[in-house]
Formats: sequence, C-alpha cells, structure tokens
Amino acid sequence: AQRVTQPEKLLSVFKGAPVELKCNYSYSGSPELFWYVQYSRQRLQLLLRHISRESIKGFTADLNKGETSFHLKKPFAQEEDSAMYYCALRAAGNKLTFGGGTRVLVKP
Amino acid sequence: SAVISQKPSRDICQRGTSLTIQCQVDSQVTMMFWYRQQPGQSLTLIATANQGSEATYESGFVIDKFPISRPNLTFSTLTVSNMSPEDSSIYLCSVDLGTQYNEQFFGPGTRLTVL
Repeated sequence: AQRVTQPEKLLSVFKGAPVELKCNYSYSGSPELFWYVQYSRQRLQLLLRHISRESIKGFTADLNKGETSFHLKKPFAQEEDSAMYYCALRAAGNKLTFGGGTRVLVKP
Repeated sequence: SAVISQKPSRDICQRGTSLTIQCQVDSQVTMMFWYRQQPGQSLTLIATANQGSEATYESGFVIDKFPISRPNLTFSTLTVSNMSPEDSSIYLCSVDLGTQYNEQFFGPGTRLTVL
C-alpha cells in the first residue's frame, strides 16, 4: 500500500528566509506526486505537480526516486505563504493518498 | 479547472440522524471522490463515486454508513448515516478532469458537527 509522510507538523520561519517542506513516500509503482495548499478559509488547491516540473509562487519540488522524496522548497518565504501544505501521491484508480500536512507560519 | 460547489457548507446535527451532502460540478467529469478530514487530521479517501454503478469504498468505510449516489456526470451525494460525534469532520468532494496531469480539484468542503 502507498504511504506519504510529512515529518514536520509545523514550520515557522521568518520572512525572507528559505523554507523546505519534507515529503517522503512509499509506493511500489511509478509515483505521481503533487503538493496541495490550503490558505486560511480557502479550499484545498493544487500548488505543484511533479510531472510538469514547474515553479509556482516561487515554490519548486523535485522528485527524487532514489530517496523516495518530493520536498517542497522556496528560497525566500513571504507572509502570504502561511498556509497548510499537503503532499499527495496518486495511485491506481486515480486515488490520492495525502500526507499528514505541514503548517507553515511565516513571521514578519 | 472546474467549479465545484457543496451543500450545505456546514451543519450541526444530533446523533442518530443522517445528513446528505451534495456536490455539483460545472462540467461533466468521469471521476468524483469523497474525502473526510477529521479535526487536526489529513484527508482520507472515503470512496470513488462512479456514474451508473455503485461507489467503490476504501478500507474502513462501508456503504451502509456512507451511501453515495452519482446520478449523472455533474452531481453526487454523500450521506452520513446514523451519525455519532466521531463523524464530526469536514467532508470534501473532488473531481479528476482527466487531463494529462491527473490532478484533482476540490470542493469547499462541508463542516459537520455532531452533538
């Protein structure tokens, strides 16, 4: 069975500092990974997908199959980045398995 | 993307009663999903709502407790039956648009409190 682990429940950083959210997965197949974000009082929305290798809102994430990781990074955090972040893995049947989530707090 | 709405947005219910949550999408989609997010927890998939056939439930979830309907390609309902306080959660529907990226889009959620 697939599993997604986000070891940090809370990350607190100062504005302008780098931020890295860790995500590790276990899956026997070829993984498709996503990062979702939920801002205060807003719905869950897609931030990044590994397959498109894009940078959104300054965030990037690289799939490392050797380390089974898909960490999310941003070199200079902004206050508007404060939110809940979920790493998710797509398995057979298009089902998503979510990690436990990491709350990011960017302090001024 | 897709515009997804859910009704009700929130409700407070008495134990032993049932609540039906509606999910409406502005376009036809093949795959719809229902998730539960318990307080302070992550999202857990309840079932995949299939159009024209019974829903497919994940381990730990059964049809008698969470009956699902999917009458057409734009609409689905989830019923939480015989509720107990442990059912207090946010219930979310999502859709897979079938694009090359296979991402899912989520509704705003229904916040359920069972007293």
